Amino acid sequence: GQQLNQSPQSMFIQEGEDVSMNCTSSSIFNTWLWYKQEPGEGPVLLIALYKAGELTSNGRLTAQFGITRKDSFLNISASIPSDVGIYFCAGGGGSQGNLIFGKGTKLSVKP
Amino acid sequence: KAGVTQTPRYLIKTRGQQVTLSCSPISGHRSVSWYQQTPGQGLQFLFEYFSETQRNKGNFPGRFSGRQFSNSRSEMNVSTLELGDSALYLCASSLDWGVGKLFFGSGTQLSVL
Repeated sequence: GQQLNQSPQSMFIQEGEDVSMNCTSSSIFNTWLWYKQEPGEGPVLLIALYKAGELTSNGRLTAQFGITRKDSFLNISASIPSDVGIYFCAGGGGSQGNLIFGKGTKLSVKP
Repeated sequence: KAGVTQTPRYLIKTRGQQVTLSCSPISGHRSVSWYQQTPGQGLQFLFEYFSETQRNKGNFPGRFSGRQFSNSRSEMNVSTLELGDSALYLCASSLDWGVGKLFFGSGTQLSVL
């Protein structure tokens, strides 16, 4: 079935630094979404992308829908301690019909 | 607007038992999806229901089943529990089926002993 490769697996950064993570696939998706999950909670939707090449921001977060429709990127600027969590990419509208999730990027922020 | 509500939050069962998990979607959302989350496998799709009909199914054995009621509330059932069924079970709702943009509940943490 379709799979998403999300990298890096984990990041340990200093407060104030910018963060970049990405997601790639061998398959095309019509939708890319980014979620954040904190301990004991379900994933929370951060950004949804619907068009190839689209660049969308949500506060300090910026995500892009790759032009090939096979990848997406998430950037977090000026990280703060509350950014800690696991970030998941998800591709939708592919051949399987359901959202496919990457394995996540675990972000740790040192004050 | 209330979010997705899952009950119970925690469950402890023994091998061979069965379990039923409940999910109430966001008001107005008609599609409910279920995912299993484990540290090793990440989020794995179980099934999606819309208008009381299963629209899509993941690659899980028949021990995993679900249903949706006329008020869009959904339940999933796991019979003959195995140790490997220990996981966080997440329910998500959306306005329509197959369109992504899922909104998740906090999940039910199932431990099988």
